[in-house]
Amino acid sequence: TQLLEQSPQFLSIQEGENLTVYCNSSSVFSSLQWYRQEPGEGPVLLVTVVTGGEVKKLKRLTFQFGDARKDSSLHITAAQPGDTGLYLCAGLTGFQKLVFGTGTRLLVSP
Amino acid sequence: DSGVTQTPKHLITATGQRVTLRCSPRSGDLSVYWYQQSLDQGLQFLIQYYNGEERAKGNILERFSAQQFPDLHSELNLSSLELGDSALYFCASSSRTGTGYTGELFFGEGSRLTVL
Repeated sequence: TQLLEQSPQFLSIQEGENLTVYCNSSSVFSSLQWYRQEPGEGPVLLVTVVTGGEVKKLKRLTFQFGDARKDSSLHITAAQPGDTGLYLCAGLTGFQKLVFGTGTRLLVSP
Repeated sequence: DSGVTQTPKHLITATGQRVTLRCSPRSGDLSVYWYQQSLDQGLQFLIQYYNGEERAKGNILERFSAQQFPDLHSELNLSSLELGDSALYFCASSSRTGTGYTGELFFGEGSRLTVL
């Protein structure tokens, strides 16, 4: 069974701080997505990474796919209250199965 | 707006009852996925349909069933409801599978089921 472990599970920070969320597995994924879910809403796709070592930037968010395609990280610079939410990574296996991570709940206080 | 529509948004019912949740995928998307999210937990995959056929099954209880109709909308039927079935149920759609598919899903806003 493929598992995607995210760390930390919870993160409470002040506006302006930087943070990194990790998504780790012992399995190889052909691609990996990051989603953000706000309370009472469905997850929204932020980014897809497909190449080992790939780095993508989305404004203050930087996503990296590990060289071996087993892990990923999400770095947020100068966090804002609007970044608050549940961050989920999801990996696509070679069998076309999508595996979701355990989630990281982020709270950014003004 | 993801383009995925789910109804109803909220549903309150009693134990032992049966409910049906409905999902309309994004225009042109052939795949529909159902997920369950309990309080403070991640997404649990229930079932996937592709163009009317069941494609994959996850941790779906025998009391639950789903189907995808010719117009591609999908319904998730939950029967003999228990207190523990209270959760958010999400539908998601994607445009394709197979070669070139990189796994992106587009989620609806969910149906919040409360079983009393």
